[in-house]
Amino acid sequence: NAGVTQTPKFQVLKTGQSMTLQCAQDMNHNSMYWYRQDPGMGLRLIYYSASEGTTDKGEVPNGYNVSRLNKREFSLRLESAAPSQTSVYFCASSEEGLAGGEQFFGPGTRLTVL
Amino acid sequence: DAKTTQPNSMESNEEEPVHLPCNHSTISGTDYIHWYRQLPSQGPEYVIHGLTSNVNNRMASLAIAEDRKSSTLILHRATLRDAAVYYCILRALYNDMRFGAGTRLTVKP
Repeated sequence: NAGVTQTPKFQVLKTGQSMTLQCAQDMNHNSMYWYRQDPGMGLRLIYYSASEGTTDKGEVPNGYNVSRLNKREFSLRLESAAPSQTSVYFCASSEEGLAGGEQFFGPGTRLTVL
Repeated sequence: DAKTTQPNSMESNEEEPVHLPCNHSTISGTDYIHWYRQLPSQGPEYVIHGLTSNVNNRMASLAIAEDRKSSTLILHRATLRDAAVYYCILRALYNDMRFGAGTRLTVKP
């Protein structure tokens, strides 16, 4: 099992450009999450999807959109990137919904917006 | 949201036990105590979680105070691979996880 995979690993964008971060999990989990981590800080939840076909905002959703393409895949889109979105982005999945359960994290995407 | 307080950093010697403290004086009855760790340049990794009773698994033990206002993550024999940032997180049912800054653990050979 690959667990949670993310692409790309690194990305540099110019202000105003758009891009989509991809995430896939092969553990048949219902729930998937997108977090961001700024230097020296803990993770903050951007969006989550409790099940296929549903998405909800987390703590810091502004400037992002998500798509739960199917049970395996959950993508994060930046429509018009800003320097404040420079961060490391982590995708995670879990068996249960927000009620609990171990979350499995991907290796992260390091995004720099110039 | 209930908050947690952890020391910024701790040091340990290899093969010695490590006790990582977490204070959560405003914890509510439905909050679970979760611990995750993040090794350098990796995503967080689940360590352990509990509600009221002490918990043990292959990675660590979680000791929860009787009043639940504090807890301690215990690594029984620290190895160099245990050097990481450890996050103590309170998670109520149907709520998301709020990560703080965590405790950076350094393990000395």
